[in-house]
Amino acid sequence: DARVTQTPRHKVTEMGQEVTMRCQPILGHNTVFWYRQTMMQGLELLAYFRNRAPLDDSGMPKDRFSAEMPDATLATLKIQPSEPRDSAVYFCASGQNKDGRFSGNTIYFGEGSWLTVV
Amino acid sequence: RKEVEQDPGPFNVPEGATVAFNCTYSNSASQSFFWYRQDCRKEPKLLMSVYSSGNEDGRFTAQLNRASQYISLLIRDSKLSDSATYLCVVNLAHRPSNSGGSNYKLTFGKGTLLTVNP
Repeated sequence: DARVTQTPRHKVTEMGQEVTMRCQPILGHNTVFWYRQTMMQGLELLAYFRNRAPLDDSGMPKDRFSAEMPDATLATLKIQPSEPRDSAVYFCASGQNKDGRFSGNTIYFGEGSWLTVV
Repeated sequence: RKEVEQDPGPFNVPEGATVAFNCTYSNSASQSFFWYRQDCRKEPKLLMSVYSSGNEDGRFTAQLNRASQYISLLIRDSKLSDSATYLCVVNLAHRPSNSGGSNYKLTFGKGTLLTVNP
């Protein structure tokens, strides 16, 4: 079964430390999303890429967050320096987008990276 | 106004009950609509797409009213296994890409928690 793979699954870090989350999208998918989920805000779109090009990162705090896609098999989300309010579940999702529709009408999520900043 | 708004919930219903979830979206240019399901501590997964004519999948019925910018999900004869968070999702054309065509992003509502009790 093809699936989106995220690492680390769980991370506890101290405030001020750098955190890097990695995502391997499903092979052949051309669109990759980073979402953050908290109880208060629900699922928020942080950034997304199509064919490795960043299309929208307006949901991301620019001063501390950065998202990149160095190649088609790897997307990264970095927080530097991390703060307690960054504690959340970070989901990566991928899909094959053609003419505005996703193949299978869906994007596929990884299991998430559960981040706690103390 | 948030892009996608849902009933805050939570909903607690007995087995066999019928339960309805509602969702409104703010952008009339939204292209397509979905319901996702998220189990506790798991990633969201597509439950069903929502079509203009309304559609049914077993005990689940989804409806769309474009004029009112309103989406609904009806679950009949609810089962214990239906307990989950239900997320309303809207696919919105983001902006024209430089390479032609449009880019689309999925925006999620905060979700409504359903608990089906024995």
